[in-house]
Amino acid sequence: QVQLVESGGGVVQPGGSLRLSCAASGFTFSSYGMHWVRQAPGKGLEWVAFIRYDGSNKYYADSVKGRFTISRDNSKNTLYLQMNSLRAEDTAVYYCAKDGMPGIAVAGSIDYWGQGTLVTVSS
Amino acid sequence: DIQMTQSPSSLSASVGDRVTITCRASQSISSYLNWYQQKPGKAPKLLIYAASSLQSGVPSRFSGSGSGTDFTLTISSLQPEDFATYYCQQSYSTPPTFGPGTKVDIK
Repeated sequence: QVQLVESGGGVVQPGGSLRLSCAASGFTFSSYGMHWVRQAPGKGLEWVAFIRYDGSNKYYADSVKGRFTISRDNSKNTLYLQMNSLRAEDTAVYYCAKDGMPGIAVAGSIDYWGQGTLVTVSS
Repeated sequence: DIQMTQSPSSLSASVGDRVTITCRASQSISSYLNWYQQKPGKAPKLLIYAASSLQSGVPSRFSGSGSGTDFTLTISSLQPEDFATYYCQQSYSTPPTFGPGTKVDIK
């Protein structure tokens, strides 16, 4: 069964950095694009970033472009999100999520989600 | 970016009711429309992809329809476990934007 387990969340001061990790299992990780999606407390879903199955293409929401970096290590079945210059408005639960179609270069539907990790940006 | 809207933003319904939620895209997205269900404190769950394809394991009381800019999610007979928030998402272009959600609660 597909499992996505996020880690690395916590409390960080404005301007600080944090790196999230997502350990994937139960599917051929290197064949699927992966997403990060976030949800601020009491708010809706906001797509953050997508990385192609082979890591050759990356896409970002305008709200995080230039501050966040998505990456993956297919040898370790792990997805990452490096978050720099964090702001209060980045406070959210961050979900690691698997794209629904293998071998696709752009973001599609999301068929599996992790349980999420909470990032709180506060002084 | 493609903007997604949903209506209503919330609704109250009873077990057994037929429920319809509408999603509209700011431009044509063909059939690149997905529906998710989210319960409090839980991750979203994919219900419908490509506008009308039922995700494996999802009960057949859920159905989706539409193409272009207008889409609907229908629950044919609402069950107690269906009280949740529902989101649409377009995957026609990047960024893959979500609608604001529709909360379905108990009347």
